[in-house]
Amino acid sequence: DVVMTQTPPSLSVAIGQSVSISCKSSQSLVHSDGKTYLNWLLQNPGQSPKRLIYQVSNLGSGVPDRFSGTGSEKDFTLKISRVEAEDLGVYHCVQATHVPFTFGSGTKLEIK
Amino acid sequence: EVQLVETGGGLVQPGRSLKLSCVASGFTFNNYWMSWTRQAPGKGLEWVASITNSGGSTYYPDSVKGRFTISRDNAQNTLYLQMNSLRSEDTATYYCTRGYGFAYWGQGTLVTVSS
Repeated sequence: DVVMTQTPPSLSVAIGQSVSISCKSSQSLVHSDGKTYLNWLLQNPGQSPKRLIYQVSNLGSGVPDRFSGTGSEKDFTLKISRVEAEDLGVYHCVQATHVPFTFGSGTKLEIK
Repeated sequence: EVQLVETGGGLVQPGRSLKLSCVASGFTFNNYWMSWTRQAPGKGLEWVASITNSGGSTYYPDSVKGRFTISRDNAQNTLYLQMNSLRSEDTATYYCTRGYGFAYWGQGTLVTVSS
């Protein structure tokens, strides 16, 4: 199984600051179709997860462009520019290139 | 608007069975893979099962393989998860999700396995 190592486990940031979250996979996430199925999700407190980024760097529908995703092969990063209060919650990376699909352990973002 | 509504959760004894349903609306159901993902209380997310558009192929992690069965009724826009031989470690909120891109999630249904 592909192991997704997500860091840091938690972050505390002030409104307006920028932050980055890392997700590293134990093997390449490039699918045989040439695409890389690495997604980023945000789970606000008490809510269902919602997708922010798909295929490494594509912004989900309605997601503010303060969010951006970069990376390739085995090393991926989610960046949040100008953090807002509504960004608090747990961020998850998930790979859907290899079965079983696997998630990172999550990064909890708190607002100072 | 895409909507996924899960039902069927509840309290069940270890070793017993439970069947979850997810009614989909707002998109052409038979155009998409569908999946189930779960989250144990206070824990991370775990993918549970996926099924192709037609229902012809299904996929599971080892943790549920042989005990859980995903199925779908494209005429009724409904996804199912039949869970047999339930264990305490299956206690979780179960989410229905569209596709393998995890683009849309339902509100979840809580399954508690306890005697």
